[in-house]
Amino acid sequence: AQKITQTQPGMFVQEKEAVTLDCTYDTSDQSYGLFWYKQPSSGEMIFLIYQGSYDEQNATEGRYSLNFQKARKSANLVISASQLGDSAMYFCAMKSNFNKFYFGSGTKLNVKP
Amino acid sequence: DAMVIQNPRYQVTQFGKPVTLSCSQTLNHNVMYWYQQKSSQAPKLLFHYYDKDFNNEADTPDNFQSRRPNTSFCFLDIRSPGLGDAAMYLCATRTSGYNEQFFGPGTRLTVL
Repeated sequence: AQKITQTQPGMFVQEKEAVTLDCTYDTSDQSYGLFWYKQPSSGEMIFLIYQGSYDEQNATEGRYSLNFQKARKSANLVISASQLGDSAMYFCAMKSNFNKFYFGSGTKLNVKP
Repeated sequence: DAMVIQNPRYQVTQFGKPVTLSCSQTLNHNVMYWYQQKSSQAPKLLFHYYDKDFNNEADTPDNFQSRRPNTSFCFLDIRSPGLGDAAMYLCATRTSGYNEQFFGPGTRLTVL
């Protein structure tokens, strides 16, 4: 069974500082993909970053980076230089071999001015 | 712009009254997904289409059905909505061989 765990229901970060959002996963698939999405209060899901299970280097997209530790089954999102507009829900997700996506319970990030 | 469109954005229905939510896409993606997201919870996959092949999640209630008449459109039918079906319903699309899903803005369903 596939499972995504996000243990931080809420996080606070000071504007311009970096923050790490935790994500661990469980799967028996050899090949899988890990994603992070941002969901503002308006409700749309915004894709942030992707890491394939066979990718040796950590993914980066602008201020977002994914700290992928395969042996620990963790895929933490690092947001550098936080901005007020980063305040939102953040979901970690995994794509299985069968075209299915599984989401964690989310972390609500609040960026303080 | 190519996109995923969901109509309506807000839907109010009465307990037990059938309701249909629609999703359309201009991306020509062959995989389409329906998710249910209740307040402050993770999106939960209800079912997905891989081309014309329908894939139901084991725990999706029989009350939920779906139709995909062509590549561009996909519908979610709730035959007898209960109060517990009030949620945001998200549609997403993807091209097989690529990983990224593209989400629509969602339809927020209220059941009175």
